[in-house]
Amino acid sequence: GAGVSQSPSNKVTEKGKDVELRCDPISGHTALYWYRQSLGQGLEFLIYFQGNSAPDKSGLPSDRFSAERTGGSVSTLTIQRTQQEDSAVYLCASSGTSGSNTGELFFGEGSRLTVL
Amino acid sequence: AQKVTQAQTEISVVEKEDVTLDCVYETRDTTYYLFWYKQPPSGELVFLIRRNSFDEQNEISGRYSWNFQKSTSSFNFTITASQVVDSAVYFCALSEGTSGSRLTFGEGTQLTVNP
Repeated sequence: GAGVSQSPSNKVTEKGKDVELRCDPISGHTALYWYRQSLGQGLEFLIYFQGNSAPDKSGLPSDRFSAERTGGSVSTLTIQRTQQEDSAVYLCASSGTSGSNTGELFFGEGSRLTVL
Repeated sequence: AQKVTQAQTEISVVEKEDVTLDCVYETRDTTYYLFWYKQPPSGELVFLIRRNSFDEQNEISGRYSWNFQKSTSSFNFTITASQVVDSAVYFCALSEGTSGSRLTFGEGTQLTVNP
């Protein structure tokens, strides 16, 4: 598709279970970001991938959170042993093509995670 | 560390009124970029504008205008003759460096335009 695609759009899970959220960025975009938006809150940076460079993981809130980006394209955000405070909308964004990263982010519609 | 502050949590106006959304930022870099994004009820953030730190010229795009003032570290956004469709959460954001990288977002301002 033309835009950033995220799946699932909604996920309800029980406390303690692991979840995986998927992001398919815009084709050719070298940068990929994960943000978290809790209800009524702003966007909290989680992790940033840029090409083949080591990712910027400085925003991950705990070691229960991890993300990978395979082949410079699709990314998976994994949350292990989910807690109720992990409930939020997880937003993925991509930007830039080789040599022309303007910093403009294109966002997906998000994955809404509810931990019971 | 970089920081973006949007002091207005919620604003409510009547259609056709002008409204200004405030944004104040903090950064130690001399080169940086400022952004505004709109998040309508559907949830998907939409890019509105990007400015770099060397370009203080104000910009107008239709009913939208932006006032960038380095002296006060502000990047305010004005909607003229507001419409109901302008109702959304608006986020101001900052990225540092020469090529743009991770964005730091403000908390957002919920704008409601009533008919």
